[in-house]
Amino acid sequence: DGGITQSPKYLFRKEGQNVTLSCEQNLNHDAMYWYRQDPGQGLRLIYYSQIVNDFQKGDIAEGYSVSREKKESFPLTVTSAQKNPTAFYLCASTRKAGPGTGSSYEQYFGPGTRLTVT
Amino acid sequence: GNSVTQMEGPVTLSEEAFLTINCTYTATGYPSLFWYVQYPGEGLQLLLKATKADDKGSNKGFEATYRKETTSFHLEKGSVQVSDSAVYFCALNTYGNQFYFGTGTSLTVIP
Repeated sequence: DGGITQSPKYLFRKEGQNVTLSCEQNLNHDAMYWYRQDPGQGLRLIYYSQIVNDFQKGDIAEGYSVSREKKESFPLTVTSAQKNPTAFYLCASTRKAGPGTGSSYEQYFGPGTRLTVT
Repeated sequence: GNSVTQMEGPVTLSEEAFLTINCTYTATGYPSLFWYVQYPGEGLQLLLKATKADDKGSNKGFEATYRKETTSFHLEKGSVQVSDSAVYFCALNTYGNQFYFGTGTSLTVIP
């Protein structure tokens, strides 16, 4: 079964420590994304990558870093510079749907990682 | 710019009631429109989509019609079930890989 995996599901860290969240996909999608979700709020884009070895900042990139060394993997590091890191983090990837479905892009999500920093 | 506005929640309905969740958008170009559903503690799942004006997306009894004249994509279901309790997100994609999401509408269905 193809899909996006994020690990771990729950992550606990002490303030001042860097932490890396894993995201892997076997959907052969080129583009990958990281979003942050806070309680009762929508999704905010942290970083995205359209191809290997290239990525762009989203709306709230400060205090985060990413790498894209392989097509399948897009890890997110939450650094100690991120002032309020406790949140639910969602990884996503995008595919272009074929001509039969209107030639649009579709975004797919992993199950998320809940990070708690104390 | 591109943006999506959803009705504020939370929405609470009795089982078998009719559901409408309003969504309007602002976009450059000709966007594709989506509804996603998020169950507690999980990621978002694509529920339905429409790629051009007057298209109707449908899935699992939910449907939404792309209305260009009113820039809307309201989600409807004729008879909700307890299992439909979730948060629903409206989203758009204009060109390329950028998606824009609304803030989500929480739905609770009571027996």
